[in-house]
Amino acid sequence: GESVGLHLPTLSVQEGDNSIINCAYSNSASDYFIWYKQESGKGPQFIIDIRSNMDKRQGQRVTVLLNKTVKHLSLQIAATQPGDSAVYFCAEKNSGGYQKVTFGTGTKLQVIP
Amino acid sequence: DGGITQSPKYLFRKEGQNVTLSCEQNLNHDAMYWYRQDPGQGLRLIYYSQIVNDFQKGDIAEGYSVSREKKESFPLTVTSAQKNPTAFYLCASSPPLVGGKNIQYFGAGTRLSVL
Repeated sequence: GESVGLHLPTLSVQEGDNSIINCAYSNSASDYFIWYKQESGKGPQFIIDIRSNMDKRQGQRVTVLLNKTVKHLSLQIAATQPGDSAVYFCAEKNSGGYQKVTFGTGTKLQVIP
Repeated sequence: DGGITQSPKYLFRKEGQNVTLSCEQNLNHDAMYWYRQDPGQGLRLIYYSQIVNDFQKGDIAEGYSVSREKKESFPLTVTSAQKNPTAFYLCASSPPLVGGKNIQYFGAGTRLSVL
C-alpha cells in the first residue's frame, strides 16, 4: 500500500553541525516530494520540494536528495541553528491528476546549543 | 496580509455536541484541505476540496462533514459521531497544479478537546 515513513523519530544535533533527516516511501508512482517544517503549536511550513525527474535540489542551507532506486529521500540542513528545532515531515504526491498529498509521521530535530 | 486563518485557536466540545472549525483563505486558491494531527504523529487527511461546491472524503472522513460554498471558506464540522475528536486540526490550501507541484499552505491550527 501507499505509505511514507521516517527512519528516526528524534534527531539531536549540535549547533553548527549538519543535520540529515531521512524519509522512505513505498509508492513507486510518487512523482513529487515536499519537506515541511512544523514548529510547536503551529502549522507546517514549506521548506523545499523536488520532482521525481531530479535527484538533488538545493535551497538556502537545505538540500533534498532523492534516490528513486531505493525509494528514499533526505533533507540536509547545513550549519544547524537553534531556530531549526522543529518536527520535519516529508510528503509525497503520486502521479495522479488530483492534489492529494500523503504525509509521513515526522522527525523531531533537537538542536543542542 | 495574505494567508490562511483558522479559528478558534482552542475549542472545547461537550459530549454529543457538534462543533464547527473555521478556515478562511485570501490566497485565491481553488484547493483546500483539512487534516487531523494526533500527538507525535503525522497529518491525516479528513476532507479536501478542489473547487467550490465540490469536496471529497480523505482517509479519515467518518464523523466529520464539510461544505465549500465559497472559494475562500472551507468549514469543518466535527459531529457527535466522531468518538475521539481530541486532536490538532490543520487547514491548508494550494494553488493549481503546475508541473505536478502541490505546495500546501497551512493555517495555525485549532486544538480541539473534549470536556
